[in-house]
Amino acid sequence: DIQMTQSPSSLSASVGDRVTITCQASQDISNYLNWYQQKPGKAPKLLIYDASNLETGVPSRFSGSGSGTDFTFTISSLQPEDIATYSCQQYDDLPTFGGGTKVEIK
Amino acid sequence: EVQLLESGGGLVQPGGSLRLSCAASGFTFSSYAMSWVRQAPGKGLEWVSGISGSSGSTYYADSVKGRFTISRDNSKNTLYLQMKSLRAEDTAVYYCAKVVRSTGWTRFDYWGQGTLVTVSS
Repeated sequence: DIQMTQSPSSLSASVGDRVTITCQASQDISNYLNWYQQKPGKAPKLLIYDASNLETGVPSRFSGSGSGTDFTFTISSLQPEDIATYSCQQYDDLPTFGGGTKVEIK
Repeated sequence: EVQLLESGGGLVQPGGSLRLSCAASGFTFSSYAMSWVRQAPGKGLEWVSGISGSSGSTYYADSVKGRFTISRDNSKNTLYLQMKSLRAEDTAVYYCAKVVRSTGWTRFDYWGQGTLVTVSS
């Protein structure tokens, strides 16, 4: 199995701050990586696919980058509605998810 | 509008069985692969199983292989997960998720609301 290590596990930031989350794969997965947002009690929502492509309808303050083993997810200006847990997912092999990053407002 | 509606969750004793269903609407069900993804209480997401649009290919996580069986009825637009020999560690919310293509798993663009399975005596 490909292991996905996500960090940090939680963070607290102010409205308007730039927020960065990283995800590291245990082996080269090219750009086969997606990012999801999950609000409490809700199903996950796809935000970014193939490492850097924005899903239709997702605000442009969300972005992703990286390839190989190291990936980054960024919220350029944190908004109150962005409070959620964010998870990465690889699909180079059977899908595996990172442990998630809980984002809170300071 | 794409909709996925899971059902069949509940409380079951260790060693018991349960069958989950996921009713799909708003898209051509047979044209897309589907998966089950679970989330234990307070934990991260775990992919469980996947099936191609034609049912020709099925895939399982090692943690459920030999105990769970995924299937689909394209005439009823419904996805199933038959779970046997359930363990406490299978306790989770189970989501069905639509894949963006007919085979494999790539990305999951639509998810159901989830159904809770609790394995406890």
